Amino acid sequence: AQTVTQSQPEMSVQEAETVTLSCTYDTSESDYYLFWYKQPPSRQMILVIRQEAYKQQNATENRFSVNFQKAAKSFSLKISDSQLGDAAMYFCAYRSENTGNQFYFGTGTSLTVIP
Amino acid sequence: EAGVAQSPRYKIIEKRQSVAFWCNPISGHATLYWYQQILGQGPKLLIQFQNNGVVDDSQLPKDRFSAERLKGVDSTLKIQPAKLEDSAVYLCASSSLGRGTSTYNEQFFGPGTRLTVL
Repeated sequence: AQTVTQSQPEMSVQEAETVTLSCTYDTSESDYYLFWYKQPPSRQMILVIRQEAYKQQNATENRFSVNFQKAAKSFSLKISDSQLGDAAMYFCAYRSENTGNQFYFGTGTSLTVIP
Repeated sequence: EAGVAQSPRYKIIEKRQSVAFWCNPISGHATLYWYQQILGQGPKLLIQFQNNGVVDDSQLPKDRFSAERLKGVDSTLKIQPAKLEDSAVYLCASSSLGRGTSTYNEQFFGPGTRLTVL
């Protein structure tokens, strides 16, 4: 089974600054999808950004961007101009084309934004 | 588009009691997932349905947990009897198989049911 590792249980950032959350994964597949999900305290999990493995260009969604290094199996999330509303648990997730639409999640990184 | 609905939002029971959770996925989504999320951890897949068939239930404690998805739409997850270690948030999610949709590959999550076993 694929594994997803988030080595930073907690991170903090000053408001308006930039922070990078790390994620690595283990797979022997060539076609897959990677995601970052955000889960605010006691609130619903929502998708932040998605990356298809066959695309070399890094995905960007407004203040959120990824650094996808396929050979290194690394998928980090960069949050620019951090806002108080960015405080949440962030989960990295992997989905294979070959395992019936199953997702594998990391253990999460708790992000604190300091005013 | 209505999101994934779950009920109840909160449930408190005593150990050895039974409990059931309900999930209504986004209309048209063929794949439905049940996850268990223990405080401070990532979601752990319990069972995955595609339409009304089971794709993966390898991590479902089948001696006490059961799930069904009748008619390939709504789903129910049951725990009988509950143990203290079952205290967690139970998340339901759904996704589309339609490759032509912009949300293909994305999982949509419900608000979850927070279960406390005393």
